[in-house]
Amino acid sequence: NAGVTQTPKFRVLKTGQSMTLLCAQDMNHEYMYWYRQDPGMGLRLIHYSVGEGTTAKGEVPDGYNVSRLKKQNFLLGLESAAPSQTSVYFCASSRTVEAFFGQGTRLTVV
Amino acid sequence: DQQVKQNSPSLSVQEGRISILNCDYTNSMFDYFLWYKKYPAEGPTFLISISSIKDKNEDGRFTVFLNKSAKHLSLHIVPSQPGDSAVYFCAARTTDSWGKLQFGAGTQVVVTP
Repeated sequence: NAGVTQTPKFRVLKTGQSMTLLCAQDMNHEYMYWYRQDPGMGLRLIHYSVGEGTTAKGEVPDGYNVSRLKKQNFLLGLESAAPSQTSVYFCASSRTVEAFFGQGTRLTVV
Repeated sequence: DQQVKQNSPSLSVQEGRISILNCDYTNSMFDYFLWYKKYPAEGPTFLISISSIKDKNEDGRFTVFLNKSAKHLSLHIVPSQPGDSAVYFCAARTTDSWGKLQFGAGTQVVVTP
């Protein structure tokens, strides 16, 4: 039972490069989320999706785009990476109250 | 504006003693509160939750208390064990939020022998 799987686990980008973070869940959850964790700030919501084909902005959406073409997958894109996007990114999914998180992607933008 | 606050960034406790983690919130529309535990290089894992209509929820060594009038909740871990050393996040959601969670900044717990 994999739960929520994120790819990749680590990545270093140069300023201006683009990349896509992949999230897959096998629990048939409707809701999926992307959070970022920064020191002293807890987790902050970037974007979320309440079902296949839907996306919405969270608390800190600027510089990111998302897509949910399939129910089990939620993709987070950085079109032009900036040093301020250096962070640990967590994907999560939920059906009711409890959210299940992936293991995280540590992204460094130099 | 941070609606969920954990004002203690760290807590050190002896093995076998009680750990008490605190969390304050400002939004009276929160209907569920959750605690997550996070080890380094891993994702947060769900620990325990409480509905806003209750004042206590217990699961094994973990008990969460909710004081709505004070907009305060606490997590008690009894007895503390070395494996409890982790970062603990308090989180909250509103009924109409599609499960979106607002997190506190976290408390690093260190359990010493």
